Amino acid sequence: VQLQESGLGLVRPSDTLSLTCDVSGSSINSVSYWAWIRQSPGKGLEWLGSVYHNGNTRYNPSLESRVSIWVDTSKNQFFLRVTSVTDADAGVYYCTRNPDYYYMDVWGKGTSVTVSS
Amino acid sequence: QSVMTQPPSASGTPGQRVTLSCSGTSSNIGDNSVFWYQQFPGTAPRLLIYRNDQRPSGVPDRFSGSTSGASASLAISGLRAEDEAVYYCAAWDDSLSRVVFGGGTKLTIL
Repeated sequence: VQLQESGLGLVRPSDTLSLTCDVSGSSINSVSYWAWIRQSPGKGLEWLGSVYHNGNTRYNPSLESRVSIWVDTSKNQFFLRVTSVTDADAGVYYCTRNPDYYYMDVWGKGTSVTVSS
Repeated sequence: QSVMTQPPSASGTPGQRVTLSCSGTSSNIGDNSVFWYQQFPGTAPRLLIYRNDQRPSGVPDRFSGSTSGASASLAISGLRAEDEAVYYCAAWDDSLSRVVFGGGTKLTIL
């Protein structure tokens, strides 16, 4: 299984951050969750949320009002959207495969996001 | 500040055995499985231990995990230069309703 993140690396404050994760080597319909994790010098590793292939989600309560994660089974992709971004949203974003919603066994290489005007 | 506490650094010499600690609470380690991740500079974390003491395929048996109450440990025996990395513990937290991570321990091979 391989995961590859893509999306704009520069986002303006108050704008929306959007990332895509391409899944290869496995069907996104498999018995797994899919998740987004971010890493920043200030906050370390942070779980943003997980999505099941049927669309069921679990989000980090501290971010739930701004974060959305969903899947497109026809494209074997899943997505992240974070609204109203601030400096605190900068970091490296990883998409992951999760055998269960709370742990990650396959990670993408990560994509760096900068928040700046 | 991380919900689970790890010492920021540890060191050992080749061939030695080292134990990395992770201190949590009854809401996370005390009630749920612990996972350990290994991260090299500039790369993504890698799952090292799952469900407290299970190794994914490809992880050498030099790595072992254990838990006791609200604490967890990762032991690395027969240290090698390539074990130099940052090690993170993680668990689900029932009170916070989210995955929580330790701040990571940077292991240096002397």
